Amino acid sequence: DAKTTQPTSMDCAEGRAANLPCNHSTISGNEYVYWYRQIHSQGPQYIIHGLKNNETNEMASLIITEDRKSSTLILPHATLRDTAVYYCIVRTGANNLFFGTGTRLTVIP
Amino acid sequence: DAGITQSPRYKITETGRQVTLMCHQTWSHSYMFWYRQDLGHGLRLIYYSAAADITDKGEVPDGYVVSRSKTENFPLTLESATRSQTSVYFCASRKGQGRLEQYFGPGTRLTVT
Repeated sequence: DAKTTQPTSMDCAEGRAANLPCNHSTISGNEYVYWYRQIHSQGPQYIIHGLKNNETNEMASLIITEDRKSSTLILPHATLRDTAVYYCIVRTGANNLFFGTGTRLTVIP
Repeated sequence: DAGITQSPRYKITETGRQVTLMCHQTWSHSYMFWYRQDLGHGLRLIYYSAAADITDKGEVPDGYVVSRSKTENFPLTLESATRSQTSVYFCASRKGQGRLEQYFGPGTRLTVT
């Protein structure tokens, strides 16, 4: 399974777009890109996933590069409640997910 | 809509004791999962289940036992707890039928002394 690389931490001003990058240069053709987040002391929360195409839902947008070696999660208008650790996961299927150390996003008032 | 619940939320036990963590979901999701979260390791999958009476190992299954006699319940048992099993344990479920997202419970903080 592909390994992912994410920045350890990022800051974003409240109301601005938060762009969280993820590098997965060894991704294979049948591996999905998943994003989850974990707000302090809570269970992880599913955000979005994609295979090849860009995806958007009510929470975020996922931009996957054409070669699929990297992706960006976009929170269009970050709020203080978006402060969390964000995990980028690349996996075949949907069961054996491995959560690394993720990116700690801090939204600043 | 209760969703997915875990009990107890906090547990302190002694080395060598058996302890069972409970997980219950009200959605009738096919898949259920157990993860542990430790500082510096992120979340790691212990066991998962695709349906009642079907279970499979994850990344770190040693020292744990699971069962799934009913779709809605997925208990995790530590048969002889060790200090290295001190952790936060999360249960999750997934609908199946092509749906890929997992929904997580609030977690159980277990301390083994």
